[in-house]
Amino acid sequence: DAGITQSPRHKVTETGTPVTLRCHQTENHRYMYWYRQDPGHGLRLIHYSYGVKDTDKGEVSDGYSVSRSKTEDFLLTLESATSSQTSVYFCAISGGQGTWTGDYEQYFGPGTRLTVT
Amino acid sequence: AQSVTQPDIHITVSEGASLELRCNYSYGATPYLFWYVQSPGQGLQLLLKYFSGDTLVQGIKGFEAEFKRSQSSFNLRKPSVHWSDAAEYFCAVGAGDYKLSFGAGTTVTVRA
Repeated sequence: DAGITQSPRHKVTETGTPVTLRCHQTENHRYMYWYRQDPGHGLRLIHYSYGVKDTDKGEVSDGYSVSRSKTEDFLLTLESATSSQTSVYFCAISGGQGTWTGDYEQYFGPGTRLTVT
Repeated sequence: AQSVTQPDIHITVSEGASLELRCNYSYGATPYLFWYVQSPGQGLQLLLKYFSGDTLVQGIKGFEAEFKRSQSSFNLRKPSVHWSDAAEYFCAVGAGDYKLSFGAGTTVTVRA
């Protein structure tokens, strides 16, 4: 398995508080992604990064921001958490094989279960 | 933009029976197609992938999938399921920007 860790693994927070989730990789992959998983929706892309300090929005980016100051770390911040952001959040990486096909092969972290009360 | 439909939300299959999970995609050009599996409480694991060439691709854990351009499908199959195959399965399609779009998933229950 790819070396991807997510922290924390579980978090309960109150509405209106800021929350930061961390994704750390030891694989030197170029691309990193944040998804949320909700029943009936599969995985939806929140933000992604194609290099250090290079990020872009996904399909459900409202209320979320990201930062990537080092190759190995990709942070997801909920500026002011809402109950609709209760979800399981997954980080993924790709692009470590030096091939164009490898850029598409995503490997996932174990997930963070976030509950906003 | 590309999209994926998995028509079956839940499938129940007997241990030892065959399994087929359906996936239909929408994309104007040649798609890049993937199947992932997620066991309860775990992250997603890549089962197999299709980029080009032979339309029947083999993956891990005894799974295979067939790309049919005329039907815009990439169905996943396994000849004989094991109790450990109980999981949620996701089909995904990639386009030209290294992002994947995922289907809503199919949950597989295996009965003894």
